[in-house]
Amino acid sequence: AQSVSQHNHHVILSEAASLELGCNYSYGGTVNLFWYVQYPGQHLQLLLKYFSGDPLVKGIKGFEAEFIKSKFSFNLRKPSVQWSDTAEYFCAVSQYSGGGADGLTFGKGTHLIIQP
Amino acid sequence: GAVVSQHPSWVICKSGTSVKIECRSLDFQATTMFWYRQFPKQSLMLMATSNEGSKATYEQGVEKDKFLINHASLTLSTLTVTSAHPEDSSFYICSARDQAGAQPQHFGDGTRLSIL
Repeated sequence: AQSVSQHNHHVILSEAASLELGCNYSYGGTVNLFWYVQYPGQHLQLLLKYFSGDPLVKGIKGFEAEFIKSKFSFNLRKPSVQWSDTAEYFCAVSQYSGGGADGLTFGKGTHLIIQP
Repeated sequence: GAVVSQHPSWVICKSGTSVKIECRSLDFQATTMFWYRQFPKQSLMLMATSNEGSKATYEQGVEKDKFLINHASLTLSTLTVTSAHPEDSSFYICSARDQAGAQPQHFGDGTRLSIL
């Protein structure tokens, strides 16, 4: 079974600081990789995704992530965070089987707090 | 586009009752819907995969007789928690994809279930 590990459970940063959230997964086959964000009181929203091609993917709100296959990693980055980035961030993996992509396996999430 | 609606958003009921949660795709046809559960301060856990017109596929450890899933149409899947007990209290989230193998999934707002 696949698993997803997010290394940082709580991160506190000041505005304008750079952000990197770690995500590692365990599965040797073809995977789709995602980062979702959950703002307080809201549903999950997709930040970015990787299916194939360029391992550096850019998402919404200035976020990007890099897929490093050899390290089974898909870390999320943002050069300069804003107070509005305060939220819960989830890394997720979908295993691709013959019938199509399966349900998502989520990491435990990282609670990001940005201090003004 | 790609809106998924869940109803109700919050339900409180007595132990022993059954609760039905609806998941609707509002502007697309969802061949596959997924049901997740999220306990406080934890990640989302996939419970089952629901395909229109066929039986749901449950993840290991999820009781199919307790969590009844019906996906009778391309826009509606229901999750019924039968004989609910306090330990079933959780946040239940559905997601849908609009064609076979398509990613990402579109998430509903979730249903907070509290069993007294």
